[in-house]
Amino acid sequence: IAGITQAPTSQILAAGRRMTLRCTQDMRHNAMYWYRQDLGLGLRLIHYSNTAGTTGKGEVPDGYSVSRANTDDFPLTLASAVPSQTSVYFCASSDDGGSDTQYFGPGTRLTVL
Amino acid sequence: GQNIDQPTEMTATEGAIVQINCTYQTSGFNGLFWYQQHAGEAPTFLSYNVLDGLEEKGRFSSFLSRSKGYSYLLLKELQMKDSASYLCAVRDSNYQLIWGAGTKLIIKP
Repeated sequence: IAGITQAPTSQILAAGRRMTLRCTQDMRHNAMYWYRQDLGLGLRLIHYSNTAGTTGKGEVPDGYSVSRANTDDFPLTLASAVPSQTSVYFCASSDDGGSDTQYFGPGTRLTVL
Repeated sequence: GQNIDQPTEMTATEGAIVQINCTYQTSGFNGLFWYQQHAGEAPTFLSYNVLDGLEEKGRFSSFLSRSKGYSYLLLKELQMKDSASYLCAVRDSNYQLIWGAGTKLIIKP
């Protein structure tokens, strides 16, 4: 693995179903993030984790949960999907250097019907 | 509230120069980022400014004025592959990134 990977690449999901989006990084970054990107809007932060074992809520956390059991993995779970959660989801991690630049995974395109 | 403004779309000619502006109003300031995002792909990091002035990196430069809440991204010698969206983001007092909606740049031959 080089960088950040996400799975699945895309998914069509029936409303009410549970879904977990996976994110794994091999850069040993402490901080990780989940964003959603919708047409005409900027990236919006769902949840973040500054280090393994800790998580925090972003701008739009409702309907989503995360866990951070180790440094590499940061899964995002939709407990009961709704059509408004149709979006492109990006996972990111940031280095611990002066700029804390965020680096993004390839994204998951989720459609909830 | 927090706000990042950038033009929705711009068009430029191959070989020319284009300037993409970004104005911001945020609770605190801890740096400004520019990212490039090709259609269907992830954002990729272009530049970071935390002090006033110009940062140059090859064909791309980024400028920051903290007193004016203003930044621009300057792209020189435009190439067709520069057709993409350019995202401006500001790190606020909570160290979270606030993102603009992005500027779609269309390059014409």
